Formats: sequence, structure tokens, C-alpha cells
Amino acid sequence: DQQVKQNSPSLSVQEGRISILNCDYTNSMFDYFLWYKKYPAEGPTFLISISSIKDKNEDGRFTVFLNKSAKHLSLHIVPSQPGDSAVYFCAAEGGNAGNMLTFGGGTRLMVKP
Amino acid sequence: DSGVTQTPKHLITATGQRVTLRCSPRSGDLSVYWYQQSLDQGLQFLIQYYNGEERAKGNILERFSAQQFPDLHSELNLSSLELGDSALYFCASSASPGTVYGYTFGSGTRLTVV
Repeated sequence: DQQVKQNSPSLSVQEGRISILNCDYTNSMFDYFLWYKKYPAEGPTFLISISSIKDKNEDGRFTVFLNKSAKHLSLHIVPSQPGDSAVYFCAAEGGNAGNMLTFGGGTRLMVKP
Repeated sequence: DSGVTQTPKHLITATGQRVTLRCSPRSGDLSVYWYQQSLDQGLQFLIQYYNGEERAKGNILERFSAQQFPDLHSELNLSSLELGDSALYFCASSASPGTVYGYTFGSGTRLTVV
């Protein structure tokens, strides 16, 4: 039972344009959502997060939007840069002991120069 | 360098064998998490320790076990290895059991079972 899903395994975007990565979840107990970025041969690194009491959080070129009624979040990267090429994981926390994160399957973003 | 150290980086072993993966958390972090990433899969939560005590368990096989020592480093033991256990194993740490500030991940141990 995949509680967090990233339905697009890959996304290709031109440099300077917007990248939109999507994530859906099923567990209504989740109350905190995070995005991680992963380069090859490295561990995931924390990118941005959002609490369920908000619907938007912005940090520089990165913005995360949360639609609780649709159980959907998205990560917008504007403008996209070649260095953004990586695998992006969304993760959710809440409703379980230990506050462990449940991760989606990841989306590979390729930003073309 | 994230501050979370995992050793070894690569491990090749035969089916039926037993291996131990080691993780040193970031200085000051009390919570350690183990995750498995199989080929083109997401990160699957295995187990969490907080200050030496098991805190949460995920989809961890009975052949796998873990512990966190008094110095807070953690070891993941994988026994009776099968081909399907080949994966990247990540350790992460956080200051508290909660994850408001996210985890800090190590660079992983790539296990290949042949």
C-alpha cells in the first residue's frame, strides 16, 4: 500500500522554464510534508517542507504547494537550472509512532541547457 | 559532507552470507533511521532508534536486525542474504524523534548480493 505516490518517474524541462513535480498521498493523518533532492552516489538532501496548516511555502526558486482536500502537493522550481537535475522525493510525516517519513518513489528531473 | 557517516560504501557478498552496515549519526543527533532503496524504487523505511531504544519499525525482514549503541552509532545486520536484498541502504539522523527539520542522510551503502 503506497501511501505516498509520485506518478511521474521522470520529467524533462528546458533551462529557465518552470519545473513542476507532483506528489499524491492517501493518509489523511499526514501533517508534515517534505521534498528531498538526490544526486547520484549521494544521500537525499532536505530541500523544502510544508506544514499541513499552510498551503504554500517558498524558499528562493523553490515553492511547495499543498492541497489538503485533494491530498496533493507539488514542488515548483523557477527558473530551472541544469544543476537542478536530480531525483526528487516527496515525503510525509504524521500519524505514526516515531514520526518516521514515508517516501514516494521519486521523480527524475532533467534540466536541459 | 552531511555529517552522517556510513561504512562501507560498497559491499559485494554471496547469497546466504551475513553483513553488518554501520552508521555514525550527525553530532548531537539522537535518532537514527534506516532506509532501503531497491533499484528504481522509493525509500522504504526499515527501522528507527532513538537514544538506544527502538522507536518504530517498518517493513524490516526478520533476517534483518539493528541496534543503536551507547555512543549513538547504529548497525544494521543483514543475514541469510538473498539476491533481492541487493539495494542501497541509507542511514539518516535527526536531533529528536520528530522530523520537523527533516532528516540528514548519509551517502549510503550499496550492497550487491551475488
